[in-house]
Amino acid sequence: DTEVTQTPKHLVMGMTNKKSLKCEQHMGHRAMYWYKQKAKKPPELMFVYSYEKLSINESVPSRFSPECPNSSLLNLHLHALQPEDSALYLCASSQDRQPWGANVLTFGAGSRLTVL
Amino acid sequence: KQEVTQIPAALSVPEGENLVLNCSFTDSAIYNLQWFRQDPGKGLTSLLLIQSSQREQTSGRLNASLDKSSGRSTLYIAASQPGDSATYLCAVSSSGNTGKLIFGQGTTLQVKP
Repeated sequence: DTEVTQTPKHLVMGMTNKKSLKCEQHMGHRAMYWYKQKAKKPPELMFVYSYEKLSINESVPSRFSPECPNSSLLNLHLHALQPEDSALYLCASSQDRQPWGANVLTFGAGSRLTVL
Repeated sequence: KQEVTQIPAALSVPEGENLVLNCSFTDSAIYNLQWFRQDPGKGLTSLLLIQSSQREQTSGRLNASLDKSSGRSTLYIAASQPGDSATYLCAVSSSGNTGKLIFGQGTTLQVKP
């Protein structure tokens, strides 16, 4: 299995809702990532997990809460979002060899989020 | 701070034409450079990965080159087809203790039948 699977593909939520995005991989990768991509912009890193521990938070607002319950799963919990948070959320995974920069990321198809 | 620039931002060509997409980066201390394809509203599909020690990679009609010293990479697409229409992103993985990819803004390609 060489895929990163993201669910749901599309999500519409109100500003008071609580929802979650899910990402799963079975490649034995121990590093997992969340990227955010606004329309017509390149992806930007949000979070990095290594061995189920949060290693990088790119100053993301607390209304986004990541969780890595095990080495195959990565969640992004969403609460009290704003309309400007509407974007494509991409999950990726990689091995976690040193140096980190040498690892190759495999991306999922993304979850398209619309906040009303 | 690493910056990645892609030129042109958009490109329209007739079917069958060979074309070149350009990517430049400011810091030559990279581990690898990757070219991705993204269809509208979809995720990223990796096309080619070039490690810093390599000069080029080929896959079918695609050829990517890397010149680290000058901070440049090109993606060559031979005999373009309408199905090649998409946005092409290059991304570099720089030195440092993160898995962060720095992306260019992308080149949106339209191949006309």
